[in-house]
Amino acid sequence: DAGVIQSPRHEVTEMGQEVTLRCKPISGHNSLFWYRQTMMRGLELLIYFNNNVPIDDSGMPEDRFSAKMPNASFSTLKIQPSEPRDSAVYFCASSFGQGEKLFFGSGTQLSVL
Amino acid sequence: GQQLNQSPQSMFIQEGEDVSMNCTSSSIFNTWLWYKQDPGEGPVLLIALYKAGELTSNGRLTAQFGITRKDSFLNISASIPSDVGIYFCAGTANTNAGKSTFGDGTTLTVKP
Repeated sequence: DAGVIQSPRHEVTEMGQEVTLRCKPISGHNSLFWYRQTMMRGLELLIYFNNNVPIDDSGMPEDRFSAKMPNASFSTLKIQPSEPRDSAVYFCASSFGQGEKLFFGSGTQLSVL
Repeated sequence: GQQLNQSPQSMFIQEGEDVSMNCTSSSIFNTWLWYKQDPGEGPVLLIALYKAGELTSNGRLTAQFGITRKDSFLNISASIPSDVGIYFCAGTANTNAGKSTFGDGTTLTVKP
């Protein structure tokens, strides 16, 4: 299995631009999670989906962030407009069931200048 | 919300030494998990624990689910340079719809 695939690996953008991060979960997994990692706040859960339905988005920082999961094999996390404080590593993870054992992607390193 | 206190924050040890790190919580968890993160990669699951008192090994790694269900520890025996990385504990609780709460991580440095 290829594991969780995220793209791009690195994204550098200017403040105000739209950023779209992509994730392909492991085939057969029915839960998908978006996490953000920073030195100051560690790993933060932003949103998670179960069977393509958003279950909990209480971790989404503000309305500039949105996430979709149009089908079982694809999810996006969009930031519009981006701000420098959004700079972080964004991880996608998937699991079978409700999410005890998480399988993480390699992350997207986002830098907003 | 639920919080995990992971300690120590960092460790600098000599190759061959044993390592111990732990996580505590003010609330009960039903599952404890330990992950390792290598530089530039996502966390990888090392060990999952499901019952209070459970002791599980994975090679040189041993983890235990505390009797009170509010703590867990991870031991690494005879450390080697490739053990370098950040180790995270995580807990899940039925009261939190199975979402994992992560500790802040323990950064391990191993000197050859």
